[in-house]
Amino acid sequence: QQQVKQSPQSLIVQKGGISIINCAYENTAFDYFPWYQQFPGKGPALLIAIRPDVSEKKEGRFTISFNKSAKQFSLHIMDSQPGDSATYFCAASIGLGTGSNQFYFGTGTSLTVIP
Amino acid sequence: DVKVTQSSRYLVKRTGEKVFLECVQDMDHENMFWYRQDPGLGLRLIYFSYDVKMKEKGDIPEGYSVSREKKERFSLILESASTNQTSMYLCASTYSPGGYTFGSGTRLTVV
Repeated sequence: QQQVKQSPQSLIVQKGGISIINCAYENTAFDYFPWYQQFPGKGPALLIAIRPDVSEKKEGRFTISFNKSAKQFSLHIMDSQPGDSATYFCAASIGLGTGSNQFYFGTGTSLTVIP
Repeated sequence: DVKVTQSSRYLVKRTGEKVFLECVQDMDHENMFWYRQDPGLGLRLIYFSYDVKMKEKGDIPEGYSVSREKKERFSLILESASTNQTSMYLCASTYSPGGYTFGSGTRLTVV
């Protein structure tokens, strides 16, 4: 059972365009929503994250939009560049009561930005 | 620069072999995790540990075990490797409630 559903599976965008990746979740106990970026041969790296008390967070060209009532969140990449070509994972986390959080990941979106 | 280091980038093992995947972090994090990454399935949690000698099962622990004798080292063990365990294995560590720091991954092929 996929706790976090991510779409699309792949995305091709022209340089300078806007890339949008969507995620949805069911568990209202999730309290932290990060996005990870993964380049070939590398592990995922934290890109940007949001907590559910905020509807939007922006860092440079990357923005997370969060809709708590719809249980959806999305990543927007403005002015997409070829260097943004990577796989993007959304995630949601929940506290385990042990001082740790458990993260649930989406299935990933392969983004290709065409020059 | 903080690091999570996985000892091998590529491994090829035979069916039935006992396989050890090693992960070391230098950030003094309490929490460490092992995931496997498969196309179309994303990252799935195998085991995690929130303290030395402590371990908890994740979503897909069958066929795996772990060891955490020291805070900085978390090992994943495939007791008897099978072809369906061919995958990319990712180790991560975190301080709660922050995000993960991942290693570069070990691509394991079981033949």
